[in-house]
Amino acid sequence: AQKVTQAQTEISVVEKEDVTLDCVYETRDTTYYLFWYKQPPSGELVFLIRRNSFDEQNEISGRYSWNFQKSTSSFNFTITASQVVDSAVYFCALRPNTGGFKTIFGAGTRLFVKA
Amino acid sequence: EAGVVQSPRYKIIEKKQPVAFWCNPISGHNTLYWYRQNLGQGPELLIRYENEEAVDDSQLPKDRFSAERLKGVDSTLKIQPAELGDSAVYLCTSSHSPRAFLMNTEAFFGQGTRLTVV
Repeated sequence: AQKVTQAQTEISVVEKEDVTLDCVYETRDTTYYLFWYKQPPSGELVFLIRRNSFDEQNEISGRYSWNFQKSTSSFNFTITASQVVDSAVYFCALRPNTGGFKTIFGAGTRLFVKA
Repeated sequence: EAGVVQSPRYKIIEKKQPVAFWCNPISGHNTLYWYRQNLGQGPELLIRYENEEAVDDSQLPKDRFSAERLKGVDSTLKIQPAELGDSAVYLCTSSHSPRAFLMNTEAFFGQGTRLTVV
């Protein structure tokens, strides 16, 4: 089965706090890609990062960092020093190498950052 | 570079009425996807086009949904007749061919059409 689970439905933090959004995936493919997207209130999905299954190196981009752990099938996303503009729904997604390049999304985590 | 453009942004219709959504992908993108996003859920793929060919429509409810991508550019998604359960956001996304995916291409999403069936 191909599946993405984002167990946290909603998270509320105060500005400047760090917050981690969890993502656990399932796939039998040995080659696959993982993504994080941000969906602000305006509705569009904004691409944040892509990781392939052979690259477990963690990545940092400004206040964003991602922790890919193949052993636990997790791809967690941390926002450091959160800001009000980070308030959005965040989706983790999986694209297995088979199955017609279909991207499978998690249900999303709604992040509220309060001033 | 212009992004993926969708119209209308919002549509409210009565059940049993037809409705159509339009998508203009990013210039040069061969692959076009339609997704449906129900409230509180992640997007789910409805159909994928490679140029003008629908290569994956296994998730499209064919009894009432249809899609076309004439000339391999713009696409329309139609529902006829609409049902209450069709209320959702319909997202269009485009990318270079997935075969080029290994060359670090990515899909770009439009803002979506929010459909409300009453």
